[in-house]
Amino acid sequence: KAGVTQTPRYLIKTRGQQVTLSCSPISGHRSVSWYQQTPGQGLQFLFEYFSETQRNKGNFPGRFSGRQFSNSRSEMNVSTLELGDSALYLCASSSGLAMGEQYFGPGTRLTVT
Amino acid sequence: DQQVKQNSPSLSVQEGRISILNCDYTNSMFDYFLWYKKYPAEGPTFLISISSIKDKNEDGRFTVFLNKSAKHLSLHIVPSQPGDSAVYFCAASDGGSQGNLIFGKGTKLSVKP
Repeated sequence: KAGVTQTPRYLIKTRGQQVTLSCSPISGHRSVSWYQQTPGQGLQFLFEYFSETQRNKGNFPGRFSGRQFSNSRSEMNVSTLELGDSALYLCASSSGLAMGEQYFGPGTRLTVT
Repeated sequence: DQQVKQNSPSLSVQEGRISILNCDYTNSMFDYFLWYKKYPAEGPTFLISISSIKDKNEDGRFTVFLNKSAKHLSLHIVPSQPGDSAVYFCAASDGGSQGNLIFGKGTKLSVKP
């Protein structure tokens, strides 16, 4: 099976712009979770989508949003970018059932200048 | 307030010896624990997991021990190999939030030949 893919891998944006990141889960997985990794905070949960519905949400401002399509692919959007949004954004897919491991993509490195 | 803590930012071990990585948690609702390994510029790779109904799970060179009364888990790698050098993350979830993993900040393991 192909793994989780994320595009683009690297992105440079200017403060105030918006950005959309894409994630394709492992075939058959219905859950997609997004995480932000920064040196100071480690890996922090953003939100999870399951069958096109947001099922869980972390403690991030409303500038961070996402959606999931019927083929389970997911997008994450960040509006009005701030310097502090510079991070590695990781997407993880799973079956969505209880006690299931999550499988991560390689991440998108976002730099905000 | 960190719910999952990895108090050792780094650990150095000689090749062939045992590596022991530790993790503490505070939320008694956590019932599933996972360990991930992460190389630079890659997403975390799932290593091993354990349910709260068990106190030990083994997979090849990797063994995870869970002490629920102490809210402590550990990952043992025996024997350690130079290719094991990476950052190791401990993660936890409660049954009601499968898509939301709470991560520790990681321990950087260096295995010296």
